[in-house]
Amino acid sequence: GENVEQHPSTLSVQEGDSAVIKCTYSDSASNYFPWYKQELGKRPQLIIDIRSNVGEKKDQRIAVTLNKTAKHFSLHITETQPEDSAVYFCAASGSNYQLIWGAGTKLIIKP
Amino acid sequence: NAGVTQTPKFQVLKTGQSMTLQCAQDMNHEYMSWYRQDPGMGLRLIHYSVGAGITDQGEVPNGYNVSRSTTEDFPLRLLSAAPSQTSVYFCASSYTRAGARGEKLFFGSGTQLSVL
Repeated sequence: GENVEQHPSTLSVQEGDSAVIKCTYSDSASNYFPWYKQELGKRPQLIIDIRSNVGEKKDQRIAVTLNKTAKHFSLHITETQPEDSAVYFCAASGSNYQLIWGAGTKLIIKP
Repeated sequence: NAGVTQTPKFQVLKTGQSMTLQCAQDMNHEYMSWYRQDPGMGLRLIHYSVGAGITDQGEVPNGYNVSRSTTEDFPLRLLSAAPSQTSVYFCASSYTRAGARGEKLFFGSGTQLSVL
């Protein structure tokens, strides 16, 4: 069936360093790939997304890259700050226009 | 705009009890959905609706019922609570099916449910 694998499950980086989270999807028809951030005890919120006709998208310190051939996409956060600590979820559009979610990555920013 | 309002925030049930989680949105969104979030499993879709009077099952529908009598409201009913339903529940909405045109999902604040 359709699935999205997300790695790593936990990522610890030094403040100021970069963080990269990777996702792989199975459905070659997927054409929309959002990333949501969930701070502790809060609701998930969209931080960036990309469509299949674009290879890369940037928004200040965050960027997403997409490799359709390999069916994987990645979230890049540069110059990490304490407020980047959260759980990050990737997703891919599946059949019937539903989103298929990754299991999440807990990002820890060490001071 | 209040966005997506979800109640209650916390609930403790005994096995076999029933309850309804409320969800309302004031953004005139066509699409509404319920997810459960369990550690290490991400967000799993329970039920969704693409408009008033239309509902459909998601990935994990068993033990849950929904209805959509108005555009604004989308309650989730637990018919006979079981310990396996202990989870955090999120309601979410968007203008259309998230994914169809890359629509942003707006989430409620969540309900932490414990079934003893």
